[in-house]
Amino acid sequence: DAKTTQPNSMESNEEEPVHLPCNHSTISGTDYIHWYRQLPSQGPEYVIHGLTSNVNNRMASLAIAEDRKSSTLILHRATLRDAAVYYCILRSLTQGGSEKLVFGKGTKLTVNP
Amino acid sequence: NAGVMQNPRHLVRRRGQEARLRCSPMKGHSHVYWYRQLPEEGLKFMVYLQKENIIDESGMPKERFSAEFPKEGPSILRIQQVVRGDSAAYFCASSPPGQGRRQQYFGPGTRLTVT
Repeated sequence: DAKTTQPNSMESNEEEPVHLPCNHSTISGTDYIHWYRQLPSQGPEYVIHGLTSNVNNRMASLAIAEDRKSSTLILHRATLRDAAVYYCILRSLTQGGSEKLVFGKGTKLTVNP
Repeated sequence: NAGVMQNPRHLVRRRGQEARLRCSPMKGHSHVYWYRQLPEEGLKFMVYLQKENIIDESGMPKERFSAEFPKEGPSILRIQQVVRGDSAAYFCASSPPGQGRRQQYFGPGTRLTVT
């Protein structure tokens, strides 16, 4: 799986939007961009994924650059419960590729009240 | 629909003992993955299993560790002769069968402490 680069940490205030960036300059055409998060003392949780177009769900939005070399996870109104480590992960659709998730260090998001 | 269940949630073993970690995937899921998270480190893939088959064990230590996912019952991660370095959180995830890279649903983890 291709490598991703994320800032080690970010801070936000409650009820403000948060933009979490991810660089993936070596992404291939068959790679999906997935985001997971891990709240303290819990297992990771799927957030969102996309291929080329921007995506929205009840948790977040995913904005994907036109060249697909970067993406941004957007939390529209951060809450204290959004404090977590956020992981950006590339997953290939090619047959024979591994099903495993390759976690980097992620971005630790702190939300201030 | 119950989520992925892991037990025990906390396990304490003395050096040299065996540790057995259990994972019950979500209903209808036939793919199971195990990950390990050492203290202050990221999650590392260990093994990927489908019913009765190990598909990818590239992250498993060569010795003392084994995993199975029998036709009936939970998936088991077994660590023989545990050492202090095995102390970590072990997470299981499951996904449904089928094509494509589906999302993985994680359990709450088993925190193993080796004394």
